[in-house]
Amino acid sequence: DVKVTQSSRYLVKRTGEKVFLECVQDMDHENMFWYRQDPGLGLRLIYFSYDVKMKEKGDIPEGYSVSREKKERFSLILESASTNQTSMYLCASSPGGGLNQPQHFGDGTRLSIL
Amino acid sequence: GENVEQHPSTLSVQEGDSAVIKCTYSDSASNYFPWYKQELGKGPQLIIDIRSNVGEKKDQRIAVTLNKTAKHFSLHITETQPEDSAVYFCAAFSGYSTLTFGKGTMLLVSP
Repeated sequence: DVKVTQSSRYLVKRTGEKVFLECVQDMDHENMFWYRQDPGLGLRLIYFSYDVKMKEKGDIPEGYSVSREKKERFSLILESASTNQTSMYLCASSPGGGLNQPQHFGDGTRLSIL
Repeated sequence: GENVEQHPSTLSVQEGDSAVIKCTYSDSASNYFPWYKQELGKGPQLIIDIRSNVGEKKDQRIAVTLNKTAKHFSLHITETQPEDSAVYFCAAFSGYSTLTFGKGTMLLVSP
């Protein structure tokens, strides 16, 4: 089974801090994704990566950056955390052969910015 | 870009009844349609998917149907059980970016 592991289930940070969310997958997948999930808004794509050191903006990239130095690891960075970034963050991965492949999700990080 | 509408937002059924969740999409070029189930405190889990060259797919009590002409697809759950209670998301892939998700349906199955 594909395992996508997010380093923290819950995280509390302060406004203005630089925040790192880590995600690791164990299935040698080419593609990795970061979403945020908010009530009534569903899942919104922040960034995705289709290869090491490659990244593409999703629908809501403002205030975020990402890093993919190794194939199995994809990090989401909040450069200067703000209260409107309080949310559930979900990481996913999918195999190569195009982006129309099943995505496998981690269990999420619930981030609170105070 | 792609736009996915999902209905209903909440659905309550009695155990043993069937449940149907419907999604419509806007881009006729969309060719991949997965469904995800999200239980409380967990990430979404893929339960079934269908590609545009197929009209229907079944897996035990779960089935998905696709109508390309009308640009809609549906999830059918038969003989519902309390453990089917969760939030269900549909999604569509149109080739412009990645998956576009619907806003979710909360399914509650009462014993």
